[in-house]
Amino acid sequence: EAQVTQNPRYLITVTGKKLTVTCSQNMNHEYMSWYRQDPGLGLRQIYYSMNVEVTDKGDVPEGYKVSRKEKRNFPLILESPSPNQTSLYFCASRFQGPRQPQHFGDGTRLSIL
Amino acid sequence: EDQVTQSPEALRLQEGESSSLNCSYTVSGLRGLFWYRQDPGKGPEFLFTLYSAGEEKEKERLKATLTKKESFLHITAPKPEDSATYLCAVQDPRRDDKIIFGKGTRLHILP
Repeated sequence: EAQVTQNPRYLITVTGKKLTVTCSQNMNHEYMSWYRQDPGLGLRQIYYSMNVEVTDKGDVPEGYKVSRKEKRNFPLILESPSPNQTSLYFCASRFQGPRQPQHFGDGTRLSIL
Repeated sequence: EDQVTQSPEALRLQEGESSSLNCSYTVSGLRGLFWYRQDPGKGPEFLFTLYSAGEEKEKERLKATLTKKESFLHITAPKPEDSATYLCAVQDPRRDDKIIFGKGTRLHILP
């Protein structure tokens, strides 16, 4: 089954404790992206990757890191999480090119205390 | 600034009561408009891509249409299982990597 898989689905942690949210897709998509979704603000792009070893900042990259060492994986790293990073996070992937729809994972709900 | 605005923010309908959701956009040179459905606790699920004015796409009780400045998602004789948040998004005309999302319309169908 074609899918984008995120782990963990839920995480409660404390300020400053490094964490990684994994994302994996099995559709051979070149493009992958991370979003955060907050009430009243909608979906905002954090980072994206056009292909292996190619990453770039989205609209709200502060406090986040990513890497793309393999085509299928695109982890999101919070080196020193803070409470303002409490949010619902989505990973998405698609084929390269215009008008290609994105396929989303089921989300990771992060709570930073 | 390129924007995508969805209205209404929320809509409650009786089962079988048809209606339309609106998505207006200000990007020039539209390269693609997308509709997604998002259920609580889930990621957005792709519904349609529209590209040119006059284009229409249908899926079960949903039909999406596109004009030069807006798109409509028409829901015909909805059922409670159509309850969800519907998101509209447009391809940024200057960047292949970016999609601009609206904030969504929360649709609730009462049985």
